[in-house]
Amino acid sequence: SAVISQKPSRDICQRGTSLTIQCQVDSQVTMMFWYRQQPGQSLTLIATANQGSEATYESGFVIDKFPISRPNLTFSTLTVSNMSPEDSSIYLCSAVVGVNEQFFGPGTRLTVL
Amino acid sequence: DAKTTQPPSMDCAEGRAANLPCNHSTISGNEYVYWYRQIHSQGPQYIIHGLKNNETNEMASLIITEDRKSSTLILPHATLRDTAVYYCIVRVRGSTLGRLYFGRGTQLTVWP
Repeated sequence: SAVISQKPSRDICQRGTSLTIQCQVDSQVTMMFWYRQQPGQSLTLIATANQGSEATYESGFVIDKFPISRPNLTFSTLTVSNMSPEDSSIYLCSAVVGVNEQFFGPGTRLTVL
Repeated sequence: DAKTTQPPSMDCAEGRAANLPCNHSTISGNEYVYWYRQIHSQGPQYIIHGLKNNETNEMASLIITEDRKSSTLILPHATLRDTAVYYCIVRVRGSTLGRLYFGRGTQLTVWP
Protein backbone atom coordinates (compact mmCIF):
# COMPACT_ATOMS: atom_id res chain seq x y z
CA SER A 1 0.00 0.00 0.00
CA ALA A 2 0.97 3.65 -0.10
CA VAL A 3 0.46 6.69 2.08
CA ILE A 4 -0.39 9.93 0.33
CA SER A 5 -0.28 13.21 2.20
CA GLN A 6 -1.66 16.54 1.11
CA LYS A 7 -1.07 20.06 2.31
CA PRO A 8 -3.06 22.02 3.29
CA SER A 9 -5.89 19.82 4.49
CA ARG A 10 -8.28 22.74 4.13
CA ASP A 11 -8.26 26.43 3.36
CA ILE A 12 -10.58 29.37 3.01
CA CYS A 13 -9.54 31.80 0.30
CA GLN A 14 -10.72 35.06 -1.21
CA ARG A 15 -11.84 35.20 -4.79
CA GLY A 16 -9.17 36.23 -7.26
CA THR A 17 -6.36 34.64 -5.28
CA SER A 18 -4.50 31.39 -5.96
CA LEU A 19 -3.79 28.34 -3.80
CA THR A 20 -1.13 25.70 -4.31
CA ILE A 21 -1.80 22.20 -2.97
CA GLN A 22 1.06 19.81 -2.35
CA CYS A 23 0.98 16.02 -2.63
CA GLN A 24 3.64 13.65 -1.35
CA VAL A 25 3.67 9.86 -1.79
CA ASP A 26 5.75 7.56 0.40
CA SER A 27 6.22 4.78 -2.17
CA GLN A 28 7.53 4.19 -5.67
CA VAL A 29 5.02 5.86 -7.93
CA THR A 30 4.18 5.03 -11.52
CA MET A 31 1.65 7.78 -12.19
CA MET A 32 0.07 10.70 -10.33
CA PHE A 33 -3.28 12.37 -10.84
CA TRP A 34 -5.41 15.22 -9.54
CA TYR A 35 -9.16 14.93 -9.00
CA ARG A 36 -11.85 17.36 -7.94
CA GLN A 37 -14.96 16.55 -5.95
CA GLN A 38 -17.54 19.31 -5.91
CA PRO A 39 -20.05 19.42 -3.06
CA GLY A 40 -22.40 16.44 -3.19
CA GLN A 41 -20.82 15.14 -6.38
CA SER A 42 -18.59 12.28 -7.42
CA LEU A 43 -14.92 12.62 -8.32
CA THR A 44 -13.82 14.17 -11.59
CA LEU A 45 -10.35 13.69 -13.05
CA ILE A 46 -8.58 17.00 -13.64
CA ALA A 47 -5.26 15.89 -15.10
CA THR A 48 -2.40 13.45 -15.14
CA ALA A 49 0.73 14.90 -13.55
CA ASN A 50 3.73 14.01 -15.71
CA GLN A 51 7.21 14.02 -14.24
CA GLY A 52 9.35 16.73 -15.75
CA SER A 53 6.86 17.76 -18.40
CA GLU A 54 3.50 19.43 -18.83
CA ALA A 55 0.48 17.74 -17.30
CA THR A 56 -2.16 16.08 -19.46
CA TYR A 57 -5.52 17.74 -18.86
CA GLU A 58 -8.99 16.26 -19.18
CA SER A 59 -11.67 17.96 -21.18
CA GLY A 60 -12.90 21.07 -19.42
CA PHE A 61 -9.69 21.73 -17.50
CA VAL A 62 -6.87 23.99 -18.67
CA ILE A 63 -3.33 24.68 -17.60
CA ASP A 64 -3.87 28.39 -16.99
CA LYS A 65 -6.51 27.63 -14.38
CA PHE A 66 -4.95 24.51 -12.85
CA PRO A 67 -1.18 24.57 -13.35
CA ILE A 68 0.42 21.32 -12.18
CA SER A 69 4.02 20.46 -11.46
CA ARG A 70 5.69 17.14 -10.78
CA PRO A 71 9.41 17.74 -10.25
CA ASN A 72 10.11 14.17 -9.13
CA LEU A 73 8.46 10.77 -8.95
CA THR A 74 6.75 11.15 -5.59
CA PHE A 75 5.78 14.84 -5.37
CA SER A 76 3.30 17.01 -7.22
CA THR A 77 1.54 20.34 -6.81
CA LEU A 78 -1.77 21.63 -8.10
CA THR A 79 -2.48 25.36 -8.18
CA VAL A 80 -6.02 26.66 -8.35
CA SER A 81 -5.63 30.07 -9.98
CA ASN A 82 -7.76 33.20 -9.89
CA MET A 83 -10.27 31.44 -7.68
CA SER A 84 -14.01 31.98 -7.69
CA PRO A 85 -16.68 30.47 -5.41
CA GLU A 86 -17.33 27.82 -8.09
CA ASP A 87 -13.87 26.42 -7.33
CA SER A 88 -14.97 25.45 -3.84
CA SER A 89 -14.36 21.71 -3.83
CA ILE A 90 -12.28 18.93 -2.40
CA TYR A 91 -9.10 18.42 -4.43
CA LEU A 92 -7.59 14.95 -4.25
CA CYS A 93 -4.20 13.67 -5.26
CA SER A 94 -3.95 10.08 -6.48
CA ALA A 95 -1.04 7.81 -7.33
CA VAL A 96 -0.56 4.47 -9.02
CA VAL A 97 1.87 2.29 -7.11
CA GLY A 98 3.10 -0.88 -8.74
CA VAL A 99 1.11 -2.31 -11.63
CA ASN A 100 -2.54 -1.98 -10.73
CA GLU A 101 -2.93 -0.33 -7.36
CA GLN A 102 -4.16 3.25 -7.17
CA PHE A 103 -4.41 5.19 -3.95
CA PHE A 104 -5.88 8.54 -2.98
CA GLY A 105 -4.83 11.24 -0.60
CA PRO A 106 -7.12 12.59 2.10
CA GLY A 107 -8.05 15.61 0.02
CA THR A 108 -7.80 19.37 0.41
CA ARG A 109 -11.09 21.07 1.22
CA LEU A 110 -11.14 24.48 -0.44
CA THR A 111 -13.71 27.17 0.24
CA VAL A 112 -13.64 30.32 -1.86
CA LEU A 113 -15.49 33.35 -0.52
CA ASP B 1 -18.31 8.33 -19.05
CA ALA B 2 -18.61 6.11 -16.00
CA LYS B 3 -19.57 2.94 -17.94
CA THR B 4 -21.14 1.42 -14.82
CA THR B 5 -24.58 1.45 -13.22
CA GLN B 6 -25.14 1.09 -9.50
CA PRO B 7 -28.17 1.52 -7.25
CA PRO B 8 -28.01 4.90 -5.52
CA SER B 9 -28.47 3.51 -2.03
CA MET B 10 -28.65 0.32 0.00
CA ASP B 11 -29.12 -0.62 3.64
CA CYS B 12 -27.65 -3.49 5.57
CA ALA B 13 -27.90 -4.70 9.15
CA GLU B 14 -24.69 -4.86 11.12
CA GLY B 15 -23.17 -8.33 11.05
CA ARG B 16 -24.97 -9.33 7.89
CA ALA B 17 -23.47 -9.61 4.43
CA ALA B 18 -23.73 -6.55 2.22
CA ASN B 19 -24.04 -7.38 -1.47
CA LEU B 20 -23.49 -4.40 -3.74
CA PRO B 21 -24.34 -4.92 -7.42
CA CYS B 22 -22.79 -3.23 -10.42
CA ASN B 23 -23.75 -3.40 -14.06
CA HIS B 24 -21.01 -2.93 -16.66
CA SER B 25 -22.64 -4.37 -19.75
CA THR B 26 -20.29 -2.61 -22.20
CA ILE B 27 -17.08 -3.83 -20.57
CA SER B 28 -14.41 -4.98 -22.98
CA GLY B 29 -11.90 -7.76 -22.68
CA ASN B 30 -9.02 -5.64 -21.42
CA GLU B 31 -10.95 -3.77 -18.75
CA TYR B 32 -10.73 -4.53 -15.07
CA VAL B 33 -13.50 -4.01 -12.54
CA TYR B 34 -12.36 -1.95 -9.56
CA TRP B 35 -14.16 -1.14 -6.35
CA TYR B 36 -13.41 1.83 -4.13
CA ARG B 37 -15.26 3.31 -1.22
CA GLN B 38 -15.34 6.78 0.21
CA ILE B 39 -16.16 7.34 3.82
CA HIS B 40 -17.48 10.80 4.50
CA SER B 41 -14.83 13.52 4.23
CA GLN B 42 -12.05 11.10 3.33
CA GLY B 43 -10.30 10.17 0.09
CA PRO B 44 -11.46 7.05 -1.76
CA GLN B 45 -10.11 3.77 -0.42
CA TYR B 46 -9.19 0.89 -2.70
CA ILE B 47 -11.11 -2.31 -1.93
CA ILE B 48 -10.55 -4.91 -4.61
CA HIS B 49 -10.29 -5.46 -8.34
CA GLY B 50 -10.67 -8.29 -10.83
CA LEU B 51 -10.63 -9.14 -14.50
CA LYS B 52 -12.72 -12.28 -14.90
CA ASN B 53 -12.11 -14.54 -11.92
CA ASN B 54 -13.69 -14.07 -8.55
CA GLU B 55 -11.38 -12.37 -6.07
CA THR B 56 -11.20 -12.24 -2.30
CA ASN B 57 -9.08 -10.24 0.09
CA GLU B 58 -9.24 -9.24 3.73
CA MET B 59 -11.84 -6.59 3.04
CA ALA B 60 -14.26 -8.12 0.57
CA SER B 61 -15.07 -10.58 -2.18
CA LEU B 62 -15.70 -9.71 -5.80
CA ILE B 63 -17.94 -11.94 -7.85
CA ILE B 64 -17.86 -11.32 -11.62
CA THR B 65 -20.42 -13.00 -13.84
CA GLU B 66 -19.19 -15.32 -16.56
CA ASP B 67 -20.13 -12.84 -19.30
CA ARG B 68 -18.41 -10.07 -17.26
CA LYS B 69 -21.38 -7.76 -17.71
CA SER B 70 -22.03 -7.42 -14.01
CA SER B 71 -20.37 -7.95 -10.69
CA THR B 72 -21.16 -7.98 -6.98
CA LEU B 73 -19.04 -6.71 -4.14
CA ILE B 74 -19.61 -8.67 -0.96
CA LEU B 75 -18.76 -7.40 2.51
CA PRO B 76 -19.25 -10.63 4.45
CA HIS B 77 -19.92 -9.15 7.88
CA ALA B 78 -20.80 -5.49 7.58
CA THR B 79 -19.97 -3.13 10.43
CA LEU B 80 -21.03 0.43 11.13
CA ARG B 81 -17.61 1.55 9.84
CA ASP B 82 -18.51 0.17 6.41
CA THR B 83 -21.06 2.94 5.92
CA ALA B 84 -19.72 4.75 2.85
CA VAL B 85 -20.26 5.45 -0.83
CA TYR B 86 -19.07 2.48 -2.88
CA TYR B 87 -17.85 3.04 -6.42
CA CYS B 88 -17.64 0.40 -9.11
CA ILE B 89 -15.27 1.42 -11.90
CA VAL B 90 -14.05 -0.21 -15.07
CA ARG B 91 -10.48 0.56 -15.96
CA VAL B 92 -8.50 -0.19 -19.05
CA ARG B 93 -5.10 -1.77 -18.73
CA GLY B 94 -2.01 -0.15 -20.17
CA SER B 95 -1.93 3.39 -21.38
CA THR B 96 -4.98 4.64 -19.53
CA LEU B 97 -3.94 3.08 -16.26
CA GLY B 98 -4.91 5.32 -13.40
CA ARG B 99 -7.46 7.47 -15.19
CA LEU B 100 -10.46 6.44 -13.17
CA TYR B 101 -13.91 7.69 -14.08
CA PHE B 102 -16.22 7.70 -11.09
CA GLY B 103 -19.98 7.38 -11.33
CA ARG B 104 -22.37 8.30 -8.54
CA GLY B 105 -21.76 5.11 -6.60
CA THR B 106 -23.96 3.38 -4.01
CA GLN B 107 -24.46 4.88 -0.59
CA LEU B 108 -24.33 1.91 1.78
CA THR B 109 -25.77 2.51 5.22
CA VAL B 110 -25.10 -0.13 7.85
CA TRP B 111 -27.50 0.08 10.77
CA PRO B 112 -27.17 -1.41 14.24
